[in-house]
Amino acid sequence: DAKTTQPPSMDCAEGRAANLPCNHSTISGNEYVYWYRQIHSQGPQYIIHGLKNNETNEMASLIITEDRKSSTLILPHATLRDTAVYYCIVRANTGGFKTIFGAGTRLFVKA
Amino acid sequence: NAGVTQTPKFRVLKTGQSMTLLCAQDMNHEYMYWYRQDPGMGLRLIHYSVGEGTTAKGEVPDGYNVSRLKKQNFLLGLESAAPSQTSVYFCASRADSTTGNTIYFGEGSWLTVV
Repeated sequence: DAKTTQPPSMDCAEGRAANLPCNHSTISGNEYVYWYRQIHSQGPQYIIHGLKNNETNEMASLIITEDRKSSTLILPHATLRDTAVYYCIVRANTGGFKTIFGAGTRLFVKA
Repeated sequence: NAGVTQTPKFRVLKTGQSMTLLCAQDMNHEYMYWYRQDPGMGLRLIHYSVGEGTTAKGEVPDGYNVSRLKKQNFLLGLESAAPSQTSVYFCASRADSTTGNTIYFGEGSWLTVV
């Protein structure tokens, strides 16, 4: 599985968009980009994933660059409850056994 | 809908004691994982399994053993607990398919070794 690089922490004002970047320059053609988040001490929760097209669901949007070497998770209107650690991982949908999580980005949403 | 269930949720061990953490999933998933998370740190993969009867080492396997005798269960064992193994342990599972490959996590098991 390809490795990812994320900033250790970010701040965002409540109600504003939170843009969380992720670099994955060694991503392979069959690897997807997944985003998870971990609120306080709970188990991580799935947010969104994509291969090469931009994706949107009820939680967030995922923008993947054309060369697929980086991506951005967008929380369009951040709330205090979005304060969490956000993990970006890349993995093939088949195989991709190890599923390594990095340190993630700690997002602080401030009132 | 149970999903991934871990037992016990909390445990205090003395150095040198042994214990087993049990993970059970009811989603018929092929892959199962054990992670540990130390305070302020990310998740680190201990061991994983790609199917019943198979196990493999992750990033930090030393001091732990695992078994996957049944597809729905993945056991994590500590034969001789050490204070360095004080951590929160998360179990996870996922399906092996080309779509819908989300990883589902348990609620965590808090282990303190004194």
